[in-house]
Amino acid sequence: QVQLVQSGAEVKKPGSSVKVSCKASGGTFSSYAISWVRQAPGQGLEWMGGIIPIFGTANYAQKFQGRVTITTDESTSTAYMELSSLRSEDTAVYYCARDIYPYYYDSSGYDNWFDPWGQGTLVTVSS
Amino acid sequence: DIVMTQTPLSSPVTLGQPASISCRSSQSLVHSDGNTYLSWLQQRPGQPPRLLIYKISNRFSGVPDRFSGSGAGTDFTLKISRVEAEDVGVYYCMQATQFPQTFGQGTKVEIK
Repeated sequence: QVQLVQSGAEVKKPGSSVKVSCKASGGTFSSYAISWVRQAPGQGLEWMGGIIPIFGTANYAQKFQGRVTITTDESTSTAYMELSSLRSEDTAVYYCARDIYPYYYDSSGYDNWFDPWGQGTLVTVSS
Repeated sequence: DIVMTQTPLSSPVTLGQPASISCRSSQSLVHSDGNTYLSWLQQRPGQPPRLLIYKISNRFSGVPDRFSGSGAGTDFTLKISRVEAEDVGVYYCMQATQFPQTFGQGTKVEIK
């Protein structure tokens, strides 16, 4: 049973950066795409970007291009999401989520059927 | 970006009764490869989302058979045949046919 465990809550100043980690256990890490999705307080879900660890190249939603960097460390089965130039609107719970099929099941490498999800990391941006 | 519109936004349901959630996309979700990348997620209070249905109608592992998905093109439906107390939460549709992936605004299912 694959589990994704994320790092703890963060409080950041506007203009600073935050790096959230997502450690996978119980399964094969490198062959499954990992996506990052955020949820502002009381709001819906927003896809930020994704990465296939074995290839190492990330895709980002245009909204976050230039501000978000998604990376992985295969040696520790951990994915990271770093968001820079933080503003108050970035206050949200950030989730990582894994595809249910390995990359070779779909020509794009991503199936975008997300399960499991990490427990979420609350990032609060406040002066 | 493809806009996903869910109705209703809130659904009070009596235990044991059915519930239905509609999701409409601003463009057809049929991909050039012939697949339709539409999924449904459940988010219970205080929990991360969980995958219920993928590719319109495939129930994910461990999902009770009272959940079913249907639809085609731009119109999709999630049905709960008999609502149980553990079904309380917010339900989201999500499309991954066109980049970037986008979600509906969510439908809150609560018990009357």
